[in-house]
Amino acid sequence: DADVTQTPRNRITKTGKRIMLECSQTKGHDRMYWYRQDPGLGLRLIYYSFDVKDINKGEISDGYSVSRQAQAKFSLSLESAIPNQTALYFCATSDLAPNTDTQYFGPGTRLTVL
Amino acid sequence: AQTVTQSQPEMSVQEAETVTLSCTYDTSENNYYLFWYKQPPSRQMILVIRQEAYKQQNATENRFSVNFQKAAKSFSLKISDSQLGDTAMYFCAFIPDSNYQLIWGAGTKLIIKP
Repeated sequence: DADVTQTPRNRITKTGKRIMLECSQTKGHDRMYWYRQDPGLGLRLIYYSFDVKDINKGEISDGYSVSRQAQAKFSLSLESAIPNQTALYFCATSDLAPNTDTQYFGPGTRLTVL
Repeated sequence: AQTVTQSQPEMSVQEAETVTLSCTYDTSENNYYLFWYKQPPSRQMILVIRQEAYKQQNATENRFSVNFQKAAKSFSLKISDSQLGDTAMYFCAFIPDSNYQLIWGAGTKLIIKP
């Protein structure tokens, strides 16, 4: 079984709908991240969490919210989806120091907002 | 601002050839970690190789090796004896010790031709 899983893998929705993307991990890592990937761009950080009670905004948090339900679960929500949120979304995890630098990625969720 | 630049949007080589992907970065930090990630058509983000900036020795992983030039802020990836399965997008990224947030390049599309 994969260490980092994301559901759904693909989603098509309409403008204005609320969407939740879910991420679960079995690596036992405390740190979790949400990124989006757009064609021609590298990954951009949306939110990150260093433990259950610690949530931080990343580079592009506007229009998104997150919930860290447990050490192993980190969800990303789009409260009112818009077409320019069409992208590939990745969840990632990393361990505590001294291994904090290396992030491990889930398989991604392809989101299309019509 | 901390940035990563991959100057080759696309490259193609014949199977079994050696190919080098370029990456330069800009940071004022002294301690950081550098990575190459591979993203095949399956879109999974896979760690290829990792380099610690305070180590002068270049990292190697089987057919993959890096040429790390700290003063020049250069971190190129060499793939020896290239295989069809190496066809993918390759992303260069670094993470500074100060905030553990990955900063990504835009990627290089590598095509291995039979």
